Amino acid sequence: DQQVKQNSPSLSVQEGRISILNCDYTNSMFDYFLWYKKYPAEGPTFLISISSIKDKNEDGRFTVFLNKSAKHLSLHIVPSQPGDSAVYFCAARRMNRDDKIIFGKGTRLHILP
Amino acid sequence: NAGVMQNPRHLVRRRGQEARLRCSPMKGHSHVYWYRQLPEEGLKFMVYLQKENIIDESGMPKERFSAEFPKEGPSILRIQQVVRGDSAAYFCASSPGAANEQFFGPGTRLTVL
Repeated sequence: DQQVKQNSPSLSVQEGRISILNCDYTNSMFDYFLWYKKYPAEGPTFLISISSIKDKNEDGRFTVFLNKSAKHLSLHIVPSQPGDSAVYFCAARRMNRDDKIIFGKGTRLHILP
Repeated sequence: NAGVMQNPRHLVRRRGQEARLRCSPMKGHSHVYWYRQLPEEGLKFMVYLQKENIIDESGMPKERFSAEFPKEGPSILRIQQVVRGDSAAYFCASSPGAANEQFFGPGTRLTVL
């Protein structure tokens, strides 16, 4: 049973345009959400996070939106750059608990020149 | 300030041999997590350890797999009598506390012949 779902295995976006990566979750106990970025042959690197008390968090070109009623979050990258080509993992956890992070399967983002 | 270190980066074993994967967390981090990534899959939680204690091993197979994080030295993930299905990338992550973001190492790619 997958608690964190990323239904798009891949996404191609023109350089300079907006990239929108989507994520759905099923466990209403999750209260902290993270996005990780992964290049080939490297470990995932933390990108941005959001607590369930917020509906938006912005950091430079990256913005994460959280819709708790729909159990949906999205990562917006604008403008998209060639170095953004990577696999993006959506993840969720319960804060203040000794709980593991639950990852989605990832979305491979291709930024086209 | 070195990040999370894992060695070896690549490990080849024949069926029936033992695999030992090492993880040195970031300085000051006392929480270590092991994840496994199978081809075309996301990261799956295996085990969460603090110094000398296993906190959560719910994601680790009951047989052949074990993990430790001794008072001194790196965390070790040990796989006995490896089988082809153990071939995967194994990532270690560390954090200073359970409620913080986790920082990942570069991973160990295990290939079982």
